[in-house]
Amino acid sequence: GQQVMQIPQYQHVQEGEDFTTYCNSSTTLSNIQWYKQRPGGHPVFLIQLVKSGEVKKQKRLTFQFGEAKKNSSLHITATQTTDVGTYFCAVQGSNYKLTFGKGTLLTVNP
Amino acid sequence: ETGVTQSPTHLIKTRGQQVTLRCSSQSGHNTVSWYQQALGQGPQFIFQYYREEENGRGNFPPRFSGLQFPNYSSELNVNALELDDSALYLCASSLAVNREAFFGQGTRLTVV
Repeated sequence: GQQVMQIPQYQHVQEGEDFTTYCNSSTTLSNIQWYKQRPGGHPVFLIQLVKSGEVKKQKRLTFQFGEAKKNSSLHITATQTTDVGTYFCAVQGSNYKLTFGKGTLLTVNP
Repeated sequence: ETGVTQSPTHLIKTRGQQVTLRCSSQSGHNTVSWYQQALGQGPQFIFQYYREEENGRGNFPPRFSGLQFPNYSSELNVNALELDDSALYLCASSLAVNREAFFGQGTRLTVV
């Protein structure tokens, strides 16, 4: 089945520093989704990327889909304590199965 | 906040028992998926229902079964509970099978 590798597993930053998490696949992806899960909460949809080389921004968050559609990244500029949580990438297979990466847990020191 | 609601929020069961978890999907969403999330892991796809039919299944044994009702609400049933079934069970609804998923708050199941 489709698998995605997500790195790093953990990232601790000082408030104001930038943060990036990466998602990689050995196969070409039709699309990729990103979710955020706060501690004790449930995953919340952030964005879906579909096109090769696509870049989308949401305030301080920048999402990229690689030219070969095999990798993606989420970059947060000037982190805030509200950014704390686990960020997951997820890809959809032919049987509609949404496969999640293992996530990157972001902690922010105020 | 999404319109997906799950019940109960917490549940403790004994090994070997059976459990039913419930999910009300967001208004207008005809697709419901269930996920199991162990502590520190990403959600694992159990199955998806579209218009009352199972539409896809992950690597879970047959003792995990489900239903979707005409109003698109859904149930997840787990028979012969095992200790490893302890996890957060998440329901997610979407407008269509390939659209973004909106998750409920989950049911925390503990099997003792």
